[in-house]
Amino acid sequence: SQQGEEDPQALSIQEGENATMNCSYKTSINNLQWYRQNSGRGLVHLILIRSNEREKHSGRLRVTLDTSKKSSSLLITASRAADTASYFCAPSSGGSYIPTFGRGTSLIVHP
Amino acid sequence: DTAVSQTPKYLVTQMGNDKSIKCEQNLGHDTMYWYKQDSKKFLKIMFSYNNKELIINETVPNRFSPKSPDKAHLNLHINSLELGDSAVYFCASTRGNGPTTGDTQYFGPGTRLTVL
Repeated sequence: SQQGEEDPQALSIQEGENATMNCSYKTSINNLQWYRQNSGRGLVHLILIRSNEREKHSGRLRVTLDTSKKSSSLLITASRAADTASYFCAPSSGGSYIPTFGRGTSLIVHP
Repeated sequence: DTAVSQTPKYLVTQMGNDKSIKCEQNLGHDTMYWYKQDSKKFLKIMFSYNNKELIINETVPNRFSPKSPDKAHLNLHINSLELGDSAVYFCASTRGNGPTTGDTQYFGPGTRLTVL
């Protein structure tokens, strides 16, 4: 198994601005997933990007993957106060049954 | 309809006690997990279990034991609770054997355990 490391640890922006969060990992992956955790709640799956994909969109979310740099980014465009949450990446390697998460990026969007 | 449910939501207990947290999924998934999230927000895998295999994170003390009465349930039993066990515990499930093939994890709402 391997763990993604999110950066920054905390991000505070105004409503309407874009938010970018990064994830780095150590070994080659099959896919990478992003999750959101609202305060006091369980994680909710946002998007999955496979190792042969470079970019993926879902609504206001855009995820990129650079396998040469072993990194991924999550961009939330036109942020809203409701986007306030912690965001986690989960890289998944071949043969790994154990998904792991890091500390996440805590995003605060001020109305 | 709740996909992954946990009980209790809050659990406050004394050091040394034995307690259990229950988890149920109604998704028909094959694999279930337990995670521990500490005060610094790190979300660490504790166990991964399907009807064929239990995978244990080697850092988990043997005071923690998963018990699965059937495919839809994976309960977490903790013996001799310690102060450091205070955390939020999340149950999750995936349709297949895990995210290697792109399985999405579905999480329960969490159980906040406080050991006094």
